[in-house]
Amino acid sequence: QKEVEQNSGPLSVPEGAIASLNCTYSDRVSQSFFWYRQYSGKSPELIMSIYSNGDKEDGRFTAQLNKASQYVSLLIRDSQPSDSATYLCAAQTGANNLFFGTGTRLTVIP
Amino acid sequence: DTEVTQTPKHLVMGMTNKKSLKCEQHMGHRAMYWYKQKAKKPPELMFVYSYEKLSINESVPSRFSPECPNSSLLNLHLHALQPEDSALYLCASSQGARGYTFGSGTRLTVV
Repeated sequence: QKEVEQNSGPLSVPEGAIASLNCTYSDRVSQSFFWYRQYSGKSPELIMSIYSNGDKEDGRFTAQLNKASQYVSLLIRDSQPSDSATYLCAAQTGANNLFFGTGTRLTVIP
Repeated sequence: DTEVTQTPKHLVMGMTNKKSLKCEQHMGHRAMYWYKQKAKKPPELMFVYSYEKLSINESVPSRFSPECPNSSLLNLHLHALQPEDSALYLCASSQGARGYTFGSGTRLTVV
């Protein structure tokens, strides 16, 4: 099993809808979890971090972590065309090495 | 200063050239990284420096040579590259388990 598995999509949602992105991880990467947004041709930008079970909200973004199921998700409420990008799930080990999922390309349709 | 600065932003080099990519951060982070990213793929770890010492080299060919002159600087020396080495090269830094901060990358084209 890869360290981080991400449903690779692509995912299309209409403007104003909720976009749901999902990721599972292995026992080897159980320290900290992150969601990065990457626009085409640009570098990854950290948008959410989550370290403990439950939900974490930041504006229109909510990250959810379930350590028992080894599952982390990102919800984007009121999706905007500017949210169209590739979203990378990442998990960090105790040695602080960061592993990425394959990414999910999100398109928000006006 | 919460940035990682990479230069140059774009680089075109021939297969016999020698060039260097540079990366700088002033956040006091003690770990720095080089990643390679091909189109439509996630970033792929190349090198990890922790406290200025190379701690991980993910089986990268010797035509890529990293250097960490001090805790703020990271270089990647390139020599005799192949066209398949064309990619976006990303530098990142981190402190503890707070995720990585990435630079804007160098778009490398080998001709």
